[in-house]
Amino acid sequence: DGGITQSPKYLFRKEGQNVTLSCEQNLNHDAMYWYRQDPGQGLRLIYYSQIVNDFQKGDIAEGYSVSREKKESFPLTVTSAQKNPTAFYLCASSTEIQPQHFGDGTRLSIL
Amino acid sequence: QQPVQSPQAVILREGEDAVINCSSSKALYSVHWYRQKHGEAPVFLMILLKGGEQKGHDKISASFNEKKQQSSLYLTASQLSYSGTYFCGTRQIQGAQKLVFGQGTRLTINP
Repeated sequence: DGGITQSPKYLFRKEGQNVTLSCEQNLNHDAMYWYRQDPGQGLRLIYYSQIVNDFQKGDIAEGYSVSREKKESFPLTVTSAQKNPTAFYLCASSTEIQPQHFGDGTRLSIL
Repeated sequence: QQPVQSPQAVILREGEDAVINCSSSKALYSVHWYRQKHGEAPVFLMILLKGGEQKGHDKISASFNEKKQQSSLYLTASQLSYSGTYFCGTRQIQGAQKLVFGQGTRLTINP
């Protein structure tokens, strides 16, 4: 079955630590996205990528980094510069004509 | 420019109807509707393209008023399973894959 896989489901970060959230898709979608969602809030775009080896900042990119070395993979690193990383992180993918479909999300908390 | 959703929250009894609006101050190419259950990823419902078309499946339908740059989501004879937060995502340009999401409308259906 085609879909988007995010891992881990839950992640804990210590002070000063970088952590990486995984996002893999086998839908052959060109574009991939990372969103952050705080409790009771909407989806805010962190980064997105429309082709391999290229990505653009979204509305809240500070403290985050991404890479897109393969079409199927778009990992997100939450760096120590992100002072308030506790949130629900969602990865999505789409094509130009297909809607965005989301993975099940990763819940990140600070230890 | 983030679209504005109204109302922010709705409480209904099972069987009642609801309308959720999504308005933009910018010209839109498309509006995408999603429903998110608590703790889960958003699930795609439907896309409306400019041209004022109306779409629907089961008892959920939507329209897009190009003159007003507003989309409305209609939930008829609501069921308990309709509970959740509804988000609209908008695209201003054909071919642009980035979506800008509204803040969401929380819908609660009581028996």
